[in-house]
Order: sequence, then C-alpha cells, then structure tokens
Amino acid sequence: DQQVKQNSPSLSVQEGRISILNCDYTNSMFDYFLWYKKYPAEGPTFLISISSIKDKNEDGRFTVFLNKSAKHLSLHIVPSQPGDSAVYFCAASAVGGSQGNLIFGKGTKLSVKP
Amino acid sequence: DTAVSQTPKYLVTQMGNDKSIKCEQNLGHDTMYWYKQDSKKFLKIMFSYNNKELIINETVPNRFSPKSPDKAHLNLHINSLELGDSAVYFCASGDTDTQYFGPGTRLTVL
Repeated sequence: DQQVKQNSPSLSVQEGRISILNCDYTNSMFDYFLWYKKYPAEGPTFLISISSIKDKNEDGRFTVFLNKSAKHLSLHIVPSQPGDSAVYFCAASAVGGSQGNLIFGKGTKLSVKP
Repeated sequence: DTAVSQTPKYLVTQMGNDKSIKCEQNLGHDTMYWYKQDSKKFLKIMFSYNNKELIINETVPNRFSPKSPDKAHLNLHINSLELGDSAVYFCASGDTDTQYFGPGTRLTVL
C-alpha cells in the first residue's frame, strides 16, 4: 500500500513555463516532506523540503506547497529550464528526515522542452 | 570531495555468491542508510545506522547485513545472492533535516 503517491508518471513542459509536480500521501503522521531530483545513473539529489507546520517553502525557482487537510503537496518550478529535466521524487517522514526513514513516491519524469 | 560515495558502481555476479557494497560519507552525519530501488523504480529503506546502532530494519531478508566499522562508513553485505536481489542500491547519510544520497550501485544477479 503506497503511503506516498505521485500519480503522474511523466510531465512535459515548455521552457520558461511553470512545472507543477504533485504528490499525495495517506499517513497523517507524516510531518516532514522532501523533494528529490534524480538524473539517470545518479543518486537522488535533495531539492527542497517543508515541515508540516508550514504551508509553503521557497528556494529560488522552486516552491513547495503543503495542504495538510488534503494530504497533498506540490512542487512548483518557475521558470522551467531544460536542465530541470529529471525524475522528481516526493518523500515523507514521520519523525523528521534523519531519525525516521523516508517513504518515497514512485517519481514523476519531467521533460522541459526548449 | 564527494559527500557520499559508493563502490562499486556496477556489480554483476552469479546466483549464490556473496558480495559487498561499500559506502562512505564525509559529511559528519551520525546516521547512514541503505535504500533499494527495484525494477518498479520504488526507493525503499532497508537499514539505517546511528552511532553504530541499527535503528531501522525493514522487512529485509537476513541475507542482507549492514556493517559499520565507523561513523563514516556503512557497508552492505549480501549472502547467497538471488535473482530478485537485482536492483540499484543507494547509500545515504542524514542530518536533522534531510538525507544525502550516493550515486548508487547497480547489482545484477545472473
């Protein structure tokens, strides 16, 4: 049973436009959420995170929104660049990122076309 | 100055063999992890070590054993390899906010 779901396996966006990647979770005990970016043949790279006490966290072109009542989070990338093309994983933790294990979604492959 | 490194990057072996994957981190983190990414691309936690103590052990066969000689290393030993062990294995280390991953080891069992 997947506790973290990324229902869109792929997303294609034009360069310069906004990319919106979505993630849903089922476990109400999750209190920390992270987004990772992964290029082929490389390990996941940490992108941005958000604690459950917040509803928004922004870092440059990347913004994560958390809607706890809907158990939904999203990653916005604006403007999208071709170098953003990668697989994006949503992850959640019940005890914080380090003390607890991360539960990952299946990933969404983002393609940004020039 | 790679933060989390793993060796080897690729490992091809026969069923029944015993193999090890090494992991080292230079981030000074207290906790290290092993994840498995299977053919369906799910990343799942296998183990974590905090100050040489195993604190998470998901339902992983006991053929898999993590060994941590010191805080900077967490090696993964696998005995009697099976076809279903073929996957990409990622090592990670963590601070209080996030986990940082190594480049992965693609294990192929023939």
